[in-house]
Amino acid sequence: EVQLVESGGGLVQPGGSLRLSCAASGFTFSTYEMNWVRQAPGKGLEWVSYISSSGSTIYYADSVKGRFTISRDNAKNSLYLQMNSLRVEDTAVYYCARDRGYFDLWGRGTLVTVSS
Amino acid sequence: DIQMTQSPSSLSASVGDRVTITCRASQGINNYLAWYQQKPGKVPKLLIYAASTLQSGVPSRFSGSGSGADFTLTISSLQPEDVATYYCQKYNSAPQTFGGGTKVEIK
Repeated sequence: EVQLVESGGGLVQPGGSLRLSCAASGFTFSTYEMNWVRQAPGKGLEWVSYISSSGSTIYYADSVKGRFTISRDNAKNSLYLQMNSLRVEDTAVYYCARDRGYFDLWGRGTLVTVSS
Repeated sequence: DIQMTQSPSSLSASVGDRVTITCRASQGINNYLAWYQQKPGKVPKLLIYAASTLQSGVPSRFSGSGSGADFTLTISSLQPEDVATYYCQKYNSAPQTFGGGTKVEIK
């Protein structure tokens, strides 16, 4: 089955760190660009970060630049998001999404809650 | 960065009504425009890409049009299962910005 499964979310204090993972299956992960998208409670979709198929090209939203790091391991069919210096406003469901320009495959998401 | 503005932010219509949602880019994006549907508590689902190409499996009552900076998503005959929030997204270049969303309800 073609799918993406996120993990690693949870409750963390402001200033803390968390690493999200996204496991891909059912397709050739190494040939696809990937993204992280988040959605704060009751809010819209916000694109967070992009990584090319080889990992050589990376982009970040201004809201997370310098704090978040996207990476991938094509041998493990996995995408990652290292989140440091977390803020209350980073509280959201984080989705990984397969990129064909548009996002044609989404995971179910993992909830990150930043609170003291 | 290019901004994406959707209107209206919400609408209420009757079953069978024709519903139109607009999305405007602050600069031209050719036809690099996608539409997504997110039902309550669910994952976003791709409906349309390249402004007017229907994703496989999406009912034909959904259609998209436009090019440049102005785009439209149309539901030709609103059904109860279409209750959702709809988002546009530009993907001509990073950042792949989403519009603010349009919440569609049944009257």
